[in-house]
Amino acid sequence: KNEVEQSPQNLTAQEGEFITINCSYSVGISALHWLQQHPGGGIVSLFMLSSGKKKHGRLIATINIQEKHSSLHITASHPRDSAVYICATADMRFGAGTRLTVKP
Amino acid sequence: DAEITQSPRHKITETGRQVTLACHQTWNHNNMFWYRQDLGHGLRLIHYSYGVQDTNKGEVSDGYSVSRSNTEDLPLTLESAASSQTSVYFCASSRTWGSGELFFGEGSRLTVL
Repeated sequence: KNEVEQSPQNLTAQEGEFITINCSYSVGISALHWLQQHPGGGIVSLFMLSSGKKKHGRLIATINIQEKHSSLHITASHPRDSAVYICATADMRFGAGTRLTVKP
Repeated sequence: DAEITQSPRHKITETGRQVTLACHQTWNHNNMFWYRQDLGHGLRLIHYSYGVQDTNKGEVSDGYSVSRSNTEDLPLTLESAASSQTSVYFCASSRTWGSGELFFGEGSRLTVL
């Protein structure tokens, strides 16, 4: 069993829909990263959070350290949000990623 | 602008050859990492370094080595390339361990024939 589990593995949405991607982990952590990988491979850091909630534009990340769970939300999704979203613990354990496709 | 660069971006080599992938960052970050990304496995940590002269093994370090002679560079060497090492390799850096934003290179696609 992976120490970092993401769900769903694949997600298809219509433009404008509200998206939620979940990340659960079985190890104690001090912080968690959310990363975005576009087709073509580049990886960009979206958030690093250790408690509560962070917001950047249409992206919102939340974390509950005690429950070992984090979520990434995308409001008003757009086709340019199509990418693989990856969560990673502060000690570099990665989830397998969630492939998001947003259709116009 | 500060950046992190990898080279080569694409390489094809033969089984048994030595290969070195370069990673160079201009943020003056102490922490640098090497990962491989394979279908079905996601990103896996190969080696990491907290600073000059420091190197540590990650989850999948067998067959790989790194050296850290300065802050800017962490080259990854495959001493004797194997077909199982065909993968996409990413280098990353961060200012602080565990609480700092990660910055990734663009990746190096290695094919071992």
